[in-house]
Amino acid sequence: GEDVEQSLFLSVREGDSSVINCTYTDSSSTYLYWYKQEPGAGLQLLTYIFSNMDMKQDQRLTVLLNKKDKHLSLRIADTQTGDSAIYFCAESTQIGGKLIFGQGTTLQVKP
Amino acid sequence: ETGVTQTPRHLVMGMTNKKSLKCEQHLGHNAMYWYKQSAKKPLELMFVYNFKEQTENNSVPSRFSPECPNSSHLFLHLHTLQPEDSALYLCASSQDPRGAGVADTQYFGPGTRLTVL
Repeated sequence: GEDVEQSLFLSVREGDSSVINCTYTDSSSTYLYWYKQEPGAGLQLLTYIFSNMDMKQDQRLTVLLNKKDKHLSLRIADTQTGDSAIYFCAESTQIGGKLIFGQGTTLQVKP
Repeated sequence: ETGVTQTPRHLVMGMTNKKSLKCEQHLGHNAMYWYKQSAKKPLELMFVYNFKEQTENNSVPSRFSPECPNSSHLFLHLHTLQPEDSALYLCASSQDPRGAGVADTQYFGPGTRLTVL
């Protein structure tokens, strides 16, 4: 079945780069998403990538997709304390409306 | 602000109570979703509505009853819940998930934190 895996925790120092990794099992995934959840809030869409792309960059965010290995990563450059949150990877397939989420990676940014 | 609002933000209820969660989207979307977020578990999709029609019920117990009177409003009616139903309930909306090959991005509300005593 469909499955999305993420490591649960990442700690970095302010100013460093953060890399959050995600693996998925469904080879028919069409879009892969990164969402951010701050304490007490809902999920905020950060970015997404179409499965025929290898990379997408948006300001401090870089998404890399290795479709062969079914591996997705989110790199945050110059990580700030405001980036501390839980980051969710999600995939969607041609089955409309269904997102499969990972468990989320808690990013802790130390000053 | 994502254009999706949820009320109430916090709810405490006993197991014999009946309550409802409300979601409203101001984005002109045609699909709405309910998710359950429990501690240390992935987000669980509960229900999907497309153009007011329920298209997915992810084996959700009947003590959760969704209602979608129009494309902008979604309710989750709760009755005789159990303590293990305590969680953050998230609502989301998207333009139209039937468009294969097009990113149908989901936008989330802030959630209702539900505690069942």
